[in-house]
Amino acid sequence: AQSVTQPDIHITVSEGASLELRCNYSYGATPYLFWYVQSPGQGLQLLLKYFSGDTLVQGIKGFEAEFKRSQSSFNLRKPSVHWSDAAEYFCAVGADAGNNRKLIWGLGTSLAVNP
Amino acid sequence: GAGVSQSPSNKVTEKGKDVELRCDPISGHTALYWYRQSLGQGLEFLIYFQGNSAPDKSGLPSDRFSAERTGGSVSTLTIQRTQQEDSAVYLCASSLFPSSTSGGNEQFFGPGTRLTVL
Repeated sequence: AQSVTQPDIHITVSEGASLELRCNYSYGATPYLFWYVQSPGQGLQLLLKYFSGDTLVQGIKGFEAEFKRSQSSFNLRKPSVHWSDAAEYFCAVGADAGNNRKLIWGLGTSLAVNP
Repeated sequence: GAGVSQSPSNKVTEKGKDVELRCDPISGHTALYWYRQSLGQGLEFLIYFQGNSAPDKSGLPSDRFSAERTGGSVSTLTIQRTQQEDSAVYLCASSLFPSSTSGGNEQFFGPGTRLTVL
């Protein structure tokens, strides 16, 4: 069965520091991978997605993620964190190739940013 | 344009009562999803509608939960005889279509309905 693991429940970084949020998945075929962000009082917003092609994906708000098939990972990165990046981050994998009808979600990583 | 809207934003009910949660997807989106997010948890898939196809109900936790989508647009999630463990945020999302076509897979989420069962 497909699964998504976000090993870090909570991360705290200083503003301006680099960030890496980990995501590991279990899936038998080429996955469709997503990162979403949920800011306080806001709905979930797509940061970026991977379907095929270049394994380094650029997203909104200066985020990027790299798909590493050998490691079954899709880690989210940002070179310099801003205070407004404090939020909950969710990794998700498409459960059916070519069809995201049942995204499998990780439990999320809560990011706090110190001034 | 308008995003996904949900109503009510908050709902407090007594144990045993029925509740209805409404979702208005983005106009033209053929796929609609319901999720449940409990405190500190990820998203739990509940049900998925795609066009006129039979919905995928595999995520509904019990037969107290049901959902319908009328006219391929608005959807209502109904919880009968609510229990305290039903307390959660119920999220609705829509996407243009569920295929793998680039740009077509993004799910757009509504703000959610926070359900509290006393």
